[in-house]
Amino acid sequence: GQQVMQIPQYQHVQEGEDFTTYCNSSTTLSNIQWYKQRPGGHPVFLIQLVKSGEVKKQKRLTFQFGEAKKNSSLHITATQTTDVGTYFCARSNYQLIWGAGTKLIIKP
Amino acid sequence: SAVISQKPSRDICQRGTSLTIQCQVDSQVTMMFWYRQQPGQSLTLIATANQGSEATYESGFVIDKFPISRPNLTFSTLTVSNMSPEDSSIYLCSVEGPGNTGELFFGEGSRLTVL
Repeated sequence: GQQVMQIPQYQHVQEGEDFTTYCNSSTTLSNIQWYKQRPGGHPVFLIQLVKSGEVKKQKRLTFQFGEAKKNSSLHITATQTTDVGTYFCARSNYQLIWGAGTKLIIKP
Repeated sequence: SAVISQKPSRDICQRGTSLTIQCQVDSQVTMMFWYRQQPGQSLTLIATANQGSEATYESGFVIDKFPISRPNLTFSTLTVSNMSPEDSSIYLCSVEGPGNTGELFFGEGSRLTVL
């Protein structure tokens, strides 16, 4: 239905490796938002994508919205310890519908 | 942006008691949202609070269990009533940012442990 499926649930990476989380919907999305939640913190808005095929960058973060507006991804290049946290996608209906989140864990 | 002050930041409560969480925003907002986030889980919307009207509750949440007040455009409270250990969670209030961007700003959250 209106849910957004987010995978993977966890991703363990070495510092310096890349990280990607994916968000998928069975229906067309009007837009998709991405949030980051640091451990013990609250969600913080990162970006909103609205256009088919849209690609936006914030430093080492690249956000994509699929051509069919049914999927989105967040890619982090060369992860750093400050990237640790859980990344959520959320679709906007009359309220936000949240994905399950992907937890980024940096291996010691 | 919006700055949200939420309190208490954490509390440990006994089963059967009630706790009221307060949320203060630094600007006037039409809607305030109350979320629950269980440990390691995503966010679930409890209700939307509009000033001057009753809150709108999502499926699975009822007013008797989670009464909400919204006395003005900058303040809201959420009460968790007759608590049980299953209510142990983080409760977050949020508001939309200015300009109708859809971006949500969150309070720091209230971490509730029910014994």
